[in-house]
Amino acid sequence: DGGITQSPKYLFRKEGQNVTLSCEQNLNHDAMYWYRQDPGQGLRLIYYSQIVNDFQKGDIAEGYSVSREKKESFPLTVTSAQKNPTAFYLCASGSGQGAEAFFGQGTRLTVV
Amino acid sequence: AQSVTQLGSHVSVSEGALVLLRCNYSSSVPPYLFWYVQYPNQGLQLLLKYTTGATLVKGINGFEAEFKKSETSFHLTKPSAHMSDAAEYFCAVSEGRDDKIIFGKGTRLHILP
Repeated sequence: DGGITQSPKYLFRKEGQNVTLSCEQNLNHDAMYWYRQDPGQGLRLIYYSQIVNDFQKGDIAEGYSVSREKKESFPLTVTSAQKNPTAFYLCASGSGQGAEAFFGQGTRLTVV
Repeated sequence: AQSVTQLGSHVSVSEGALVLLRCNYSSSVPPYLFWYVQYPNQGLQLLLKYTTGATLVKGINGFEAEFKKSETSFHLTKPSAHMSDAAEYFCAVSEGRDDKIIFGKGTRLHILP
C-alpha cells in the first residue's frame, strides 16, 4: 500500500539524549515535512524539504535537525538542545507546488 | 508570509444542526487552501482543498468550503452534523512557490446528542 510510515508510534527517552524519529514514504513525493503538535497550538512546522539533499527551516527549527539523503526518507533528530521535546510529531509528504500534504500516523515522544 | 487564523478553539453543535468552522488566511499571492480532520492520536486526513477555479469546494463526508477572496476566508460547513463528525479540524494555507504549508491552531468540534 502507498503511504507514509512513521516509527515508532510511542517513544520514551531520558532528558539529555538525542532521539531520531523515522519517516518513510512510497508515494514518490518530492516534498516532505515535519510538524510538531501540542494541545491548543495546532501544527507548527519544524523543517521541510522540497528535494533530495535540500531542506529549509520552518518556524520552530531550534533544537531539531533533519537529513534528506533519499527521496523516500526524511528522519528527524530531536537533540538535547530542544528545551521541551515532549510532543506529538507528524511527518507528511506532498507533490509540492500547492498540492496537499499526506500525513503519517505520528510519533508521540515523551522525555522523562 | 502566509498565516491562518481559526476562530474558536472549541465549537459545539447539536446532532443534525449546521456545522460552521471559521478560517481566515493571510497570503501575499493567490493561496492554496486546505481543510483537514484529525481523530485522537492519529494523523490528519484531507477533507477538501481549493486551488483555482470554482470558489465553492466540496469534500468528503458532506463537508464543503467557500473561498472568499474579498474576506480572505475559507469557512468549512456541513448542513447536518453527525456524531461521527466529532474531531479536530485544521485549516491550512500554502503559497505554492516554496511548498511550505502553514496550519491554524485547530478547532475541536463537539456534537451534542
